Amino acid sequence: GAVVSQHPSRVICKSGTSVKIECRSLDFQATTMFWYRQFPKKSLMLMATSNEGSKATYEQGVEKDKFLINHASLTLSTLTVTSAHPEDSSFYICSARDLGGNEQFFGPGTRLTVL
Amino acid sequence: GQNIDQPTEMTATEGAIVQINCTYQTSGFNGLFWYQQHAGEAPTFLSYNVLDGLEEKGRFSSFLSRSKGYSYLLLKELQMKDSASYLCASMDSNYQLIWGAGTKLIIKP
Repeated sequence: GAVVSQHPSRVICKSGTSVKIECRSLDFQATTMFWYRQFPKKSLMLMATSNEGSKATYEQGVEKDKFLINHASLTLSTLTVTSAHPEDSSFYICSARDLGGNEQFFGPGTRLTVL
Repeated sequence: GQNIDQPTEMTATEGAIVQINCTYQTSGFNGLFWYQQHAGEAPTFLSYNVLDGLEEKGRFSSFLSRSKGYSYLLLKELQMKDSASYLCASMDSNYQLIWGAGTKLIIKP
């Protein structure tokens, strides 16, 4: 089956630093990748959708200059949380979809804690 | 607007059957997904319905009625490991998933 990995699985950083999260599709080409954020006991919130080689489409209320997304290849997308603050602490999950498919395959998630 | 409704929490007994309902209103429709999410983990795919009717997959079944904007997930022979949140998501005309808030299922011995 389709496998998506995320790295790191857990990160703790100081306020003001930047954190990069990688999302990789291991056995398929992900033409579209999605980045979600989930707060405790809340549903998934879509942050942005990225298609390989083009700029990401951000959801309303998500700051594109704060959450930088790069989908440089068909197997890799990165999310960089710039100048992180404690309120950015959350569970960040990526998912990937291949060309012609409807199902999204989720990565295992990255738990970010900003001190 | 787009909206997905599902119960916040349900409780069931080990070995029993439970049905989790979901109603949806989305701009266009390209299918209804159910995902399982254990605490602290990412969602895992359970089922996908795009046509009306019941899809059975082992202990889990999913039903869809497009005319009613309604789906349910049926879990049989409940096991303790089934304790998790169950997320309903409708795919809209842009192939975006619109997510419900999830139903936390508590299984009691």
